[in-house]
Formats: sequence, structure tokens, C-alpha cells
Amino acid sequence: DVVMTQTPLSLSVTPGQPASISCRSGESLLHTDGKTYLSWYLQKPGQSPHLLIYEVSRRFSGVPDRFSGTGSGTHFTLEISRVEAEDVGIYYCMQSLPLPWTFGQGTKVEIK
Amino acid sequence: QVQLVQSGAEVKKPGASVKVSCKASGYIFTGYHIAWVRQAPGQGLEWMGRIRPDSGGTYYTQKFQGRVTMTRDTSIGTAYMELSSLRYDDTAVYYCATECCSGWRLNYWGQGTLVTVSS
Repeated sequence: DVVMTQTPLSLSVTPGQPASISCRSGESLLHTDGKTYLSWYLQKPGQSPHLLIYEVSRRFSGVPDRFSGTGSGTHFTLEISRVEAEDVGIYYCMQSLPLPWTFGQGTKVEIK
Repeated sequence: QVQLVQSGAEVKKPGASVKVSCKASGYIFTGYHIAWVRQAPGQGLEWMGRIRPDSGGTYYTQKFQGRVTMTRDTSIGTAYMELSSLRYDDTAVYYCATECCSGWRLNYWGQGTLVTVSS
């Protein structure tokens, strides 16, 4: 199974400041179709997870543009340009190239 | 709008089985895989496997092989996940999620079903 490693595991951010989460995969997530199957999810406290970013950098419908994703191959980053109070929760990366799909351990983001 | 509505919380004894349902609406049910993801208390997300609603074809992770069965009823747009030989460490919230309408990612999630294994 592909191991997904996130860093840091927790992050405390001042509102209005940027935040960055790294995700590394144990093998390349680049498909022969040219797409890279890495997505990011946010689980707010007491809620189900929801999709933020797919194919490394594409924002899902309704996701604010302060969220952005970058990366390629095996190294990926989720960035929040200016953290807001509603962004608290646990962020997970997930690879969906080889089965079984696998998640990172999660990064807990809280507000200072 | 796409919605997944799951069945209610369950309490089961060790060794028993549990069957969780996931009713889909707002899209063509047979068009996209439904996956099951679980989350033990205070832990991260664990992808358990998925079902292809049109054919009924399944993929289970090795960890759950032999204990999990994913099925569907296309007439009512509902997917099911049954876990047998329950152990205390199967206590978790179980989520269904659909790849509608793209494949390759989990676009929409159910509200989760808490399964508690307790004697």
C-alpha cells in the first residue's frame, strides 16, 4: 500500500496568517493519463470530511480561493493564504492512484 | 444536489455483525463507485474498500478481506457495508462516500454511522 506522510501533525495559526501542510507519497501519483491523483480533505470538528482540492491543485466547487494546492510526483503542499477561524479542523491528503486508496495521518489546524 | 444518507448508530456485541446502509440521491447511482471509510475514536481516516454499483464489483483492503461485504440495491439507490466478527477495535464512525461525478476522488460524503462494539 502507498504510505502517505503528512507534516506537521499539528499547526497553530494566527488569523490572517498563512499556513502550509506537506504531504509525501511513497510512490509517484502520476497516472499515464497525465493527471496526478492527490486530493485534500478537511474534517471540521464534529463533521464528515469534505473535499477541498483534487488532482493536486484543482479547487472543488465552492472552496474559497485562499486554499491552494501544489506539487508533483511524490511531494505535495496545501496552502491557506490567510487562515480564518472557520478553517479549523483536521486536513488529510489522500492518494487515489493505486488501489487501495490511502490517507495521510492528518494535520490538526487550530487558531491561536 | 448529491446526498448520501446513512443509517443510524448501532451497538453490537463482540462477534456479532453490523450492516450499515447509505442511500444516494441527486445523481445516477450506478454511475460511480461508493467507498467506505472508517474513523476510530480520535484517529484518522481509513479507506476500507469500494463497490461499483452497476456491476456490484468490489475491492476490499487486505485488512478487511474476509470480514467485510459491500453490496448494493440499485432499485432503491442504496449501498450497504456489512462487517462481521466484530471486535472492540471496530468501534468507529463509518462513512460512505461517492466518486460522483468524476471518479478518482471522494466528492461527497455521508453523515457517518457510529458503530459501538461493547459487551
